[in-house]
Amino acid sequence: DVKVTQSSRYLVKRTGEKVFLECVQDMDHENMFWYRQDPGLGLRLIYFSYDVKMKEKGDIPEGYSVSREKKERFSLILESASTNQTSMYLCAIRRPGGNQPQHFGDGTRLSIL
Amino acid sequence: SQQGEEDPQALSIQEGENATMNCSYKTSINNLQWYRQNSGRGLVHLILIRSNEREKHSGRLRVTLDTSKKSSSLLITASRAADTASYFCATDAGGSQGNLIFGKGTKLSVKP
Repeated sequence: DVKVTQSSRYLVKRTGEKVFLECVQDMDHENMFWYRQDPGLGLRLIYFSYDVKMKEKGDIPEGYSVSREKKERFSLILESASTNQTSMYLCAIRRPGGNQPQHFGDGTRLSIL
Repeated sequence: SQQGEEDPQALSIQEGENATMNCSYKTSINNLQWYRQNSGRGLVHLILIRSNEREKHSGRLRVTLDTSKKSSSLLITASRAADTASYFCATDAGGSQGNLIFGKGTKLSVKP
């Protein structure tokens, strides 16, 4: 079974804090993704990575950065958290090549107060 | 950039009935995928249909794809209360990085 582990299911932080969301996979897949999910807006891609130290911006990268120092770990960083970043954050992985599904972690519900 | 749009937004049925959800998209695709999300959890991949396929089955799931109309449907037969979840379609335009574009989902409620 594919295992994608997100470090926290629920997280509460304060405005202005630096926040780290961690995602770890056990499948040795090259491609990793960070999404946020908001009611009425669906899933929106923040950043993705297709190899160690490689990263690409998604549709809504503003206010976020990422780090991928090891293949199995992809971190999402909120440099200075703001209330509009309160959301559900989902990490996904995918094997490269055509016609592959994405496998998701259970999500982190982040509240910024 | 939202590509897939599911219809209806919400669907409520009785156990044993069939549930049909539709997805429309705008550009050419390599494949289309359906995912399920239980409340407060991550998405689970259900089925992938390639652009050259018209129909695919997996257990009680049946997916159709009409590339000329840029639409797909997901049919769940003999629904169960445990099928209650949100269902998303996602389009894959191709490329090794595997970016998907998700719709906003259909919320299915199956009443016992």
